[in-house]
Amino acid sequence: DTAVSQTPKYLVTQMGNDKSIKCEQNLGHDTMYWYKQDSKKFLKIMFSYNNKELIINETVPNRFSPKSPDKAHLNLHINSLELGDSAVYFCASSQVPGNWDEQYFGPGTRLTVT
Amino acid sequence: TQLLEQSPQFLSIQEGENLTVYCNSSSVFSSLQWYRQEPGEGPVLLVTVVTGGEVKKLKRLTFQFGDARKDSSLHITAAQPGDTGLYLCAGEQGAQKLVFGQGTRLTINP
Repeated sequence: DTAVSQTPKYLVTQMGNDKSIKCEQNLGHDTMYWYKQDSKKFLKIMFSYNNKELIINETVPNRFSPKSPDKAHLNLHINSLELGDSAVYFCASSQVPGNWDEQYFGPGTRLTVT
Repeated sequence: TQLLEQSPQFLSIQEGENLTVYCNSSSVFSSLQWYRQEPGEGPVLLVTVVTGGEVKKLKRLTFQFGDARKDSSLHITAAQPGDTGLYLCAGEQGAQKLVFGQGTRLTINP
């Protein structure tokens, strides 16, 4: 039983393309997050949603648009991909915002932009 | 400027040795967490420390939160190859946001 799942696991695409990453959690949590981990393993929060509402947007370029169709899903759409977008993107969830003891991460999506 | 500095960034030691990794900041955090991340997987929470001076033990791992709640350390005794991984510290900054350090990549050689 996977708690937080992401698809795809790997994504290789060319500059300028538009791509989406999907995330689903089966934990019944209200809050979901997107993090970006760069090549130096620095992990940084991008977005946080609570009950399908955006609560944190960390000065991410507007080429990145998260969408939460329901509490169990938080997808990330990226327009006009750039080389600097190459990274591993992690989805996470917690019962409520800031409940870090109950934050679970997905396995990550490695995005490579060529 | 990194809010949380972890040191060392890389550490490779022999099985059975002891080690300490550090997480330092000039900022005060209401809580601090340690995670371990293995290749191809997401971070997994090891511990949360909340009180200044708090010490928590998880088998051979000992976590300490500084008295001023600005720094933390992770000590591993008798390291084993299964301890290999990326260790991340993260501090709660403001409401509902975690700030991560850049990690310590630990390799335990058999």
